[in-house]
Amino acid sequence: QSALTQPASVSGSPGQSITISCTGTGSDVGDYDYVSWYQQHPGKAPKLLIYEVSYRPSGVSNRFSGSKSGSTASLTISGLQAEDEADYYCASYTTTSPLGVFGGGTKLTVL
Amino acid sequence: EVQLVESGGGLVQPGGSLRLSCAASGFTFSSYWMNWVRQAPGKGLEWVANIKEGGSERSYVDSVKGRFTISRDNAKNSLYLQMNSLRAEDTAVYYCVRSYAPAAIPNFDYWGQGTLVTVSS
Repeated sequence: QSALTQPASVSGSPGQSITISCTGTGSDVGDYDYVSWYQQHPGKAPKLLIYEVSYRPSGVSNRFSGSKSGSTASLTISGLQAEDEADYYCASYTTTSPLGVFGGGTKLTVL
Repeated sequence: EVQLVESGGGLVQPGGSLRLSCAASGFTFSSYWMNWVRQAPGKGLEWVANIKEGGSERSYVDSVKGRFTISRDNAKNSLYLQMNSLRAEDTAVYYCVRSYAPAAIPNFDYWGQGTLVTVSS
């Protein structure tokens, strides 16, 4: 069982917006702004989309945005495109381990 | 261009050993924390180990403590993972990953393509 909880799947139609949640505790997401998000297409390595809750690395589309409220972080993808169909993972710093923790992953289906 | 290229994966029997390598290029390797992250077939990501820029600090996930050792050779721009006493549950793709933040902050900006380790008799 992952330390961070994500929905197993979400779906949306092209052009729509979707949000993926990542729920932790006060030992990780709740007390620290060190949440990152990764996109992984089948057979490929993960790609960093968001770091420190809401910052986008250079080259990442501004259709991807991150936020946090309490112990839940969220990734929002606006203007859904077919190429966004992938698995998405959150990760967070935690005080309960010398390493951070990942969420279980969310499969995004673009209908 | 930043590149991380893993090697050393393969099929090994339970109880056996394997050493993974990661060749880094395109950046000042000695200035970054480095990590190994694994992904079991059809499963999610798991942060396995990390090592500080100069190698003075290392951390491991509980499930591999005492069995795996992370190391680096900054003169050769290389990261390693020595895996001993391998178990079936260690079967996974192992990724070499660069952090641009220290220690346990998961800001993983570059990933290798991964190398598959299969533990089976």
